Amino acid sequence: GAVVSQHPSWVICKSGTSVKIECRSLDFQATTMFWYRQFPKQSLMLMATSNEGSKATYEQGVEKDKFLINHASLTLSTLTVTSAHPEDSSFYICSARDSRPEQYFGPGTRLTVT
Amino acid sequence: QQQVKQSPQSLIVQKGGIPIINCAYENTAFDYFPWYQQFPGKGPALLIAIRPDVSEKKEGRFTISFNKSAKQFSLHIMDSQPGDSATYFCAASKGSNYKLTFGKGTLLTVNP
Repeated sequence: GAVVSQHPSWVICKSGTSVKIECRSLDFQATTMFWYRQFPKQSLMLMATSNEGSKATYEQGVEKDKFLINHASLTLSTLTVTSAHPEDSSFYICSARDSRPEQYFGPGTRLTVT
Repeated sequence: QQQVKQSPQSLIVQKGGIPIINCAYENTAFDYFPWYQQFPGKGPALLIAIRPDVSEKKEGRFTISFNKSAKQFSLHIMDSQPGDSATYFCAASKGSNYKLTFGKGTLLTVNP
């Protein structure tokens, strides 16, 4: 099956710093990648959709200047949380798809901001 | 506005039982309906998906039943095992961008 990786799996950062999360499709070319946020015992909340070589499309209420998304190649997308604050602490998950409808998820990144 | 309503919120069955999780949607433009399984601390894994032109789809022990007129679809897990204990999410999307709208999830516990 299609494999999506994320790095790091967990990260702790101090308030006010920035942190970058990488999402890679390992065995297929991802024309579209999605970034989600998930709080404990809750569903997945879509943050943004990114197509390779294009600017990301953010969902309503998501601050595009705080959550910078780059999809520079068909196998790599990055999410940078800028000037992180404790309320940004969450589980961030990416997913990817090629031309088919199936969307494959990464293992997630747990971000803790102290 | 919750576009995909999932029930029950939690479900406990005995090993070998057949848990059934239900989802209802409002937007008739939805045309792709996947189910995901998520273990604690992990990303969701795609289990099975269905299109509205099919009333049932089976893959291994997992079956989706789809009722287009009622705008409902459900997941059945045959011969459930303790290893199936996880949170299950239904989802729906429309059009070519396949942006998913998720249900709130069902926490399934399968007792030995």
